[in-house]
Parts: sequence; C-alpha cells; structure tokens
Amino acid sequence: ETGVTQSPTHLIKTRGQQVTLRCSSQSGHNTVSWYQQALGQGPQFIFQYYREEENGRGNFPPRFSGLQFPNYSSELNVNALELDDSALYLCASSVGTLTRETQYFGPGTRLLVL
Amino acid sequence: AQRVTQPEKLLSVFKGAPVELKCNYSYSGSPELFWYVQYSRQRLQLLLRHISRESIKGFTADLNKGETSFHLKKPFAQEEDSAMYYCALSGLSRAGTYKYIFGTGTRLKVLA
Repeated sequence: ETGVTQSPTHLIKTRGQQVTLRCSSQSGHNTVSWYQQALGQGPQFIFQYYREEENGRGNFPPRFSGLQFPNYSSELNVNALELDDSALYLCASSVGTLTRETQYFGPGTRLLVL
Repeated sequence: AQRVTQPEKLLSVFKGAPVELKCNYSYSGSPELFWYVQYSRQRLQLLLRHISRESIKGFTADLNKGETSFHLKKPFAQEEDSAMYYCALSGLSRAGTYKYIFGTGTRLKVLA
C-alpha cells in the first residue's frame, strides 16, 4: 500500500505568479483534502474533492482552486500569489466523505513567496 | 464562530507524570472530534477519534458535549510521547458540504 505523496517538496515563487502543487492519494482512497499550514499554526482547510467534484471549502478566496483526476490524484492551484501564501501545503486522502473518516496526510510542500 | 481552541502552546511534564492536553470547540451541529499527532520529522497522523472510543498508545479522550471539550489524557507520560498534538473536528456545513477545523496545536515535551 502506497502512502500519500506530494510534489514538489519545496518551491520558491514571486508575488503575482501562479503555482501548482500535486498530490497522489493513498491507494484505494477517493477523497482528497488540501490544507494550508502557516508557521506556528494548525492546518487550515482549503477544500475537499470527492469523485472529481468539490465537496467542501474553507475560507479561502477563489484564486485557490483545485482539480481531482480519475485516478484520484489532485492538484492545488494558486493564482496571483501573495506574500501571505507562504506556508506548508498539506494534502490528505480518505475513503469517502463521511465526517468520521480518518485522513492520511502527505509530507507537505513548503511554498515561499518572495 | 466555529473554532477549535487549544489554550496551551507548550506543555512540559516529567516522565511518569500524568498528561492532559486541553481542547475546546465551538460548532453548531454534531461534529466528529479527532486528535492528530506529529512526531519529529514525521507527517501528521491520526492518534484517536472520539467515535472509536479507543485508547491508542495509552491516550484517551472523552467528548464532553456540555462543556464542548475533548481533552486528551494519559496517566503516565513517556519520553516518546514528545510531539505536536492537534485537536480537530469535522462536520457538515449548512449546505451539506464538508468542513474540517484544526486547533493551533500543543507541543508536549516529556522530560527525563
């Protein structure tokens, strides 16, 4: 069984640019959630995708968007990067969308916006 | 407002002492409550969830709906318990979509 993987591990961008982060779900998982974790803070829920449809969204602006593919891998896209977007981005996969489901986290992508 | 509050950023205890990590939540509806743990240089992982009513690595957590708390407890701390602990809840929004809220975390240091 393969765990959740994310790429790249680190990324440096400049303000105004666009970025795409990638996540490969754990085998057999059809749901993926994305989180932003700023330094010293807990993860903040960005959104969740289930069967290629957005299934929930936190308080993030529309410039944060996502995609889930038929093989359940996923992308997080952020447009018009701002300095405050610098953070660790985590994805987590789970089986189904029940609120009691355990989420399995990837190692994260650390994004620095200059 | 919907939130998860962990009042302590850092908790230091001696090996063998009892541990209690506090978690309070505010949420309209019936959320599911979780504790996640992150050991040094490892990824975030589930420790326990209230619906399972289980004990993992000697830790237990009781959901108190009256006090809206979900404190994590262990009677005798071990050095390997040193880690970052996050309390979290999941629930459905009014629109029926998914929502997940984490606390800011408590770093537990168990001293020899």
